[in-house]
Amino acid sequence: KAGVTQTPRYLIKTRGQQVTLSCSPISGHRSVSWYQQTPGQGLQFLFEYFSETQRNKGNFPGRFSGRQFSNSRSEMNVSTLELGDSALYLCASSLGAGGNEQYFGPGTRLTVT
Amino acid sequence: ELKVEQNPLFLSMQEEKNYTIYCNYSTTSDRLYWYRQDPGKSLESLFVLLSNGAVKQEGRLMASLDTKARLSTLHITAAVHDLSATYFCAVDYSATNKLIFGTGTLLAVQP
Repeated sequence: KAGVTQTPRYLIKTRGQQVTLSCSPISGHRSVSWYQQTPGQGLQFLFEYFSETQRNKGNFPGRFSGRQFSNSRSEMNVSTLELGDSALYLCASSLGAGGNEQYFGPGTRLTVT
Repeated sequence: ELKVEQNPLFLSMQEEKNYTIYCNYSTTSDRLYWYRQDPGKSLESLFVLLSNGAVKQEGRLMASLDTKARLSTLHITAAVHDLSATYFCAVDYSATNKLIFGTGTLLAVQP
C-alpha cells in the first residue's frame, strides 16, 4: 500500500506570494490533517479534513486555508507569505473521523525569502 | 490550555546504558502516540497507547501510559547509535485527529 505523498517536496517563495501544497492520503483513508513544524514553535496543528469538511482548525491566521476533494486528496494554501511561514509542512492521513492512528507524509519544506 | 511537556529536551546517551523520556500532558486523554523523527525527515510512528496501563515494546524501546498521572514514558534499554533521533509524544485529546505534540527530545548516542 502506498504511503502518504506530498508535493512538492521543496519550495522557495518570496514574501507576499502565495503557495499551494498538496497531500494524497493512503488509499482508503478519509481524514487528512496538516501540521507546521518550525524550530521555534515545534509541531503545531493547522487543520483537519474529513469527508471534504474541515472539522478542526488550529490557531493560525486566516492566510492559512485548506480543502479536501472527493477523493480525499487535500490541499493547503498560504497567502501573502511571511518569512515566519518558512517551515516543514506535514500532512497526515488516518482511516476515520477520530481516534485513529495518523500516518505522516514526507513533508514539504517551504522557504520564504 | 492543552499542553504536552517532554523532558529532557536533550539526552546525551552512552551506548549500552538505559534512559527514560517523560511526557506529561495537562488534560485527561487515553490516546497517546510516540513518534521518531530523523533529521530532515518526516515522523515515523513508534507506539500507539490507548488505555491506562498500556505498555508496548519494540526492540530496545518500551512505552507506557498512566492516564491517572497523565504521564507516558519511553524507556530505552542498552542504547545504540541507531536510536539517535528526535522523539515526540503527542496526545489526541478528544479523538478528533488533532494531535498536540510535545517539544521533542533529541537523543544523541555517544560511542
